[in-house]
Amino acid sequence: ETGVTQSPTHLIKTRGQQVTLRCSSQSGHNTVSWYQQALGQGPQFIFQYYREEENGRGNFPPRFSGLQFPNYSSELNVNALELDDSALYLCASSTDRGNYGYTFGSGTRLTVV
Amino acid sequence: RKEVEQDPGPFNVPEGATVAFNCTYSNSASQSFFWYRQDCRKEPKLLMSVYSSGNEDGRFTAQLNRASQYISLLIRDSKLSDSATYLCVVLSGGYNKLIFGAGTRLAVHP
Repeated sequence: ETGVTQSPTHLIKTRGQQVTLRCSSQSGHNTVSWYQQALGQGPQFIFQYYREEENGRGNFPPRFSGLQFPNYSSELNVNALELDDSALYLCASSTDRGNYGYTFGSGTRLTVV
Repeated sequence: RKEVEQDPGPFNVPEGATVAFNCTYSNSASQSFFWYRQDCRKEPKLLMSVYSSGNEDGRFTAQLNRASQYISLLIRDSKLSDSATYLCVVLSGGYNKLIFGAGTRLAVHP
């Protein structure tokens, strides 16, 4: 059974650029959530996809957008990058919309300069 | 007020010590509760779910008090390998988002 994989592992972007982060969910999982973790803080919920539909969103601006594909993999897109977007971006997958806990990928560390 | 609050620590304890972490949550409609462990610069990993009746997994015991909206984690006989940040997590909302506390850092020393 493969776990959750994210790519790339590290990324450096310039303020104002756009970035796409990718996530392959664990086999059999149909729910994917994205989280942003700034240094010294707990992860913050960005949004969740369940069977290709967004079914929940946290307090993030519209420049954070996402997709889930038929194989339940997912993308997180961030437009007009700001310095404060520098963080660890975590993807987590689950069955049944997370009632039994989520499995996290190892994350993408994004640095905006 | 944060939805999930934890003592940030750090807790510095010797090997073999017993240490307890506490957590409170604000949404009384929260459905499920977890403790996650996060090593430095790594992803969070599920340590254990927390049930109303209390549950134990080896040296780890978790308790939930729904009336007080309080969650705890007890670690007995601490090992060096227990050094990590422990995140209190609540599953909440109609679409089951995970809400994390800021984490409690534990350092176990020889």
